[in-house]
Amino acid sequence: GNSVTQMEGPVTLSEEAFLTINCTYTATGYPSLFWYVQYPGEGLQLLLKATKADDKGSNKGFEATYRKETTSFHLEKGSVQVSDSAVYFCALSDQTGANNLFFGTGTRLTVIP
Amino acid sequence: ETGVTQSPTHLIKTRGQQVTLRCSSQSGHNTVSWYQQALGQGPQFIFQYYREEENGRGNFPPRFSGLQFPNYSSELNVNALELDDSALYLCASSPGLPSSYNEQFFGPGTRLTVL
Repeated sequence: GNSVTQMEGPVTLSEEAFLTINCTYTATGYPSLFWYVQYPGEGLQLLLKATKADDKGSNKGFEATYRKETTSFHLEKGSVQVSDSAVYFCALSDQTGANNLFFGTGTRLTVIP
Repeated sequence: ETGVTQSPTHLIKTRGQQVTLRCSSQSGHNTVSWYQQALGQGPQFIFQYYREEENGRGNFPPRFSGLQFPNYSSELNVNALELDDSALYLCASSPGLPSSYNEQFFGPGTRLTVL
């Protein structure tokens, strides 16, 4: 079956620190991988995605590389800002059947000035 | 362009009651999916509607049902509410065929509390 395992939170970092949030997955076939972000009081927003092995998704300084050999899609950012404080979800779509997403449990990031 | 909207924002019900949640999809989007997000968890897929028909369902009992209307808006109905149904319910819409696996756009959610 499909599943996503995310690094346990919460994560607290100082502004300008380096961020890594680990994500590994189990899937049948060739999934697409996503990172979503949920700011307080708002819905989920797509942060970045990768649709095949070795693809790198990037947006707003965040990056993640689709690693088929390690079934991973770790999220990284070189220098976090206070405005990056949010909950981050790793997700996959197995590209079969309904267009539905399988999510990890989320990692809460707090960035302090 | 209006994004995905959901109503109501918050709702409190008691065990055994029934509830209806509503979602208006983003303009031009004909596929709507519903997710349940329990506190501290990631969203879980409930079901998806495409052109007014159910196009897939997650591991949820039949007391979770839905509808999609000709204007692509959607309802989620939950009968015989249980305490574990307390969660944030998210609606997401996407354009085109479900088999195109286009990006899903999420609404802000409805927070349901069952007492």
